[in-house]
Amino acid sequence: AQSVTQLGSHVSVSEGALVLLRCNYSSSVPPYLFWYVQYPNQGLQLLLKYTTGATLVKGINGFEAEFKKSETSFHLTKPSAHMSDAAEYFCAVSDPSGGSYIPTFGRGTSLIVHP
Amino acid sequence: EAGVAQSPRYKIIEKRQSVAFWCNPISGHATLYWYQQILGQGPKLLIQFQNNGVVDDSQLPKDRFSAERLKGVDSTLKIQPAKLEDSAVYLCASSLGLAGFDTQYFGPGTRLTVL
Repeated sequence: AQSVTQLGSHVSVSEGALVLLRCNYSSSVPPYLFWYVQYPNQGLQLLLKYTTGATLVKGINGFEAEFKKSETSFHLTKPSAHMSDAAEYFCAVSDPSGGSYIPTFGRGTSLIVHP
Repeated sequence: EAGVAQSPRYKIIEKRQSVAFWCNPISGHATLYWYQQILGQGPKLLIQFQNNGVVDDSQLPKDRFSAERLKGVDSTLKIQPAKLEDSAVYLCASSLGLAGFDTQYFGPGTRLTVL
């Protein structure tokens, strides 16, 4: 069974600093990988996803993530944090090996941005 | 384009009572998901439909939870009888197809409190 590990339930950065949110997965084959963001009292919204091809994926709001097969990782980064980036971030995996694509989410990382 | 609609947004019930949630996906989306999100955790897939057929319900507590999508459009999720541990946000999502790389679009969720 696939699993997703997000290191750190909370990450705190200063406005303008680098954002790094970590995600590692376990899967028998390279999966499809996603990052979703959840603002308070809202549903989840896709930030970016990796399917095939280029391993560096760019998403909305200046975020990007790199798929590293050898490290089974898909870490999310943003060069300069903004106050509006404060939210909950979820890494998700969809494993194609089982024939049906059952999505699995990590526990989430709360990003705190302080002035 | 209208998003995923869910109702009610909030529900408070006492244990052993029953409750139902409704979801209307984005028009044309074949796949519909119900997730349970307990405070401090990531969404856990309860059931996945493609049109009106069940793709996966392996994590649905079938002794008390049921879901249907009779006409392949909107869906209801029912809990009967509710337990304290059912307190959570119930998220509905939809995607265009069943491909593992399809983006899921989430509704705002229903926050259930069981007293």
